Amino acid sequence: ETGVTQTPRHLVMGMTNKKSLKCEQHLGHNAMYWYKQSAKKPLELMFVYNFKEQTENNSVPSRFSPECPNSSHLFLHLHTLQPEDSALYLCASSLGTGYYEQYFGPGTRLTVT
Amino acid sequence: GENVEQHPSTLSVQEGDSAVIKCTYSDSASNYFPWYKQELGKRPQLIIDIRSNVGEKKDQRIAVTLNKTAKHFSLHITETQPEDSAVYFCAASRDSGNTPLVFGKGTRLSVIA
Repeated sequence: ETGVTQTPRHLVMGMTNKKSLKCEQHLGHNAMYWYKQSAKKPLELMFVYNFKEQTENNSVPSRFSPECPNSSHLFLHLHTLQPEDSALYLCASSLGTGYYEQYFGPGTRLTVT
Repeated sequence: GENVEQHPSTLSVQEGDSAVIKCTYSDSASNYFPWYKQELGKRPQLIIDIRSNVGEKKDQRIAVTLNKTAKHFSLHITETQPEDSAVYFCAASRDSGNTPLVFGKGTRLSVIA
């Protein structure tokens, strides 16, 4: 269960704050993903990176800004969030996109006050 | 793009009974169909998958069936046990190009002892 790690595990932030979520994978994978998990949309894909290139932006508001400096690290920069952005943010990685198994991290529970 | 519908959203069964979860997909080019299980407070994990060149796949008490003509696939769990209680997600994708998995909205399965 340590193949994909996420920090922090819990985050409380105000609407005017700027914070970042970090994801790291130790599996030698080439694709990394950000998902938002909430009661309304249980597994909502946000961004996909394949070989450090963003290949999918699922109409995510610009207050969420991803960064993938290398195939092992993925960040999600947050600024001026809204209370409805409170959710569990899951990172995942896979050897490639398409038919490869995705390995999920434990998630960051975000609360926007 | 692909759209995956999953039913039912919640399912309760008595221990020892069978459980069936059904999904439909829209993209006839999709050919990879995995199922993920997410236990309470844990990350989603792959439990079984099927590719379009087979109609059924079994792994102990779980099986998945695929009907490409009708564009639907199902998860079957036999002899259910309390530890089967979880949220199950179906997904679909193509195995070529940068097409990520599209997940269904999940089914919360409760196995009553």
